[in-house]
Amino acid sequence: SQKIEQNSEALNIQEGKTATLTCNYTNYSPAYLQWYRQDPGRGPVFLLLIRENEKEKRKERLKVTFDTTLKQSLFHITASQPADSATYLCALDPPGTYKYIFGTGTRLKVLA
Amino acid sequence: EPEVTQTPSHQVTQMGQEVILRCVPISNHLYFYWYRQILGQKVEFLVSFYNNEISEKSEIFDDQFSVERPDGSNFTLKIRSTKLEDSAMYFCASRQSGATYEQYFGPGTRLTVT
Repeated sequence: SQKIEQNSEALNIQEGKTATLTCNYTNYSPAYLQWYRQDPGRGPVFLLLIRENEKEKRKERLKVTFDTTLKQSLFHITASQPADSATYLCALDPPGTYKYIFGTGTRLKVLA
Repeated sequence: EPEVTQTPSHQVTQMGQEVILRCVPISNHLYFYWYRQILGQKVEFLVSFYNNEISEKSEIFDDQFSVERPDGSNFTLKIRSTKLEDSAMYFCASRQSGATYEQYFGPGTRLTVT
């Protein structure tokens, strides 16, 4: 079955630096992959979607890449701020299904 | 800005009791989902719903679970006989159409089974 791994459970970085989070998946490549932000006790909030034919997608200080050969997506936050501290989740819908599966998330802490 | 709402925010129930969790998706959305998240664990898919029927359900979604869209606005998740292991945050989500994939999540209902 399709699996997602976010191999950093927690990541601490200094304010102003670039945070890079990794999402790896197994088996079939999805048509697109999504990134969400989740704050404690709250529901996930959609951030970015990248399609299989897109190498890179940007939104303000966020950048996502998608490498179907490596079966990996990278999520970057540039000029990070303490307000960026949250858990970041990647998600995909396995081909031929009507569901989404989420990674375990990476808990990012930006230190002032 | 439109948002998904969920009630109640916190539900405490005794083992074996029935609970109904309620969601009001965004009004022009067509696809609806329930997820659960046990404390400290990942968001797990339970069920997807489109055109008044279940599209897919996970192994977690056994006969004790059911979903309903009783009118044009509400989307409910019923657990018939709750177990201790059903204690979790339950999130409802919706998305607009087949061509848009971003999901909008509600704030969640924290279910505590004692």
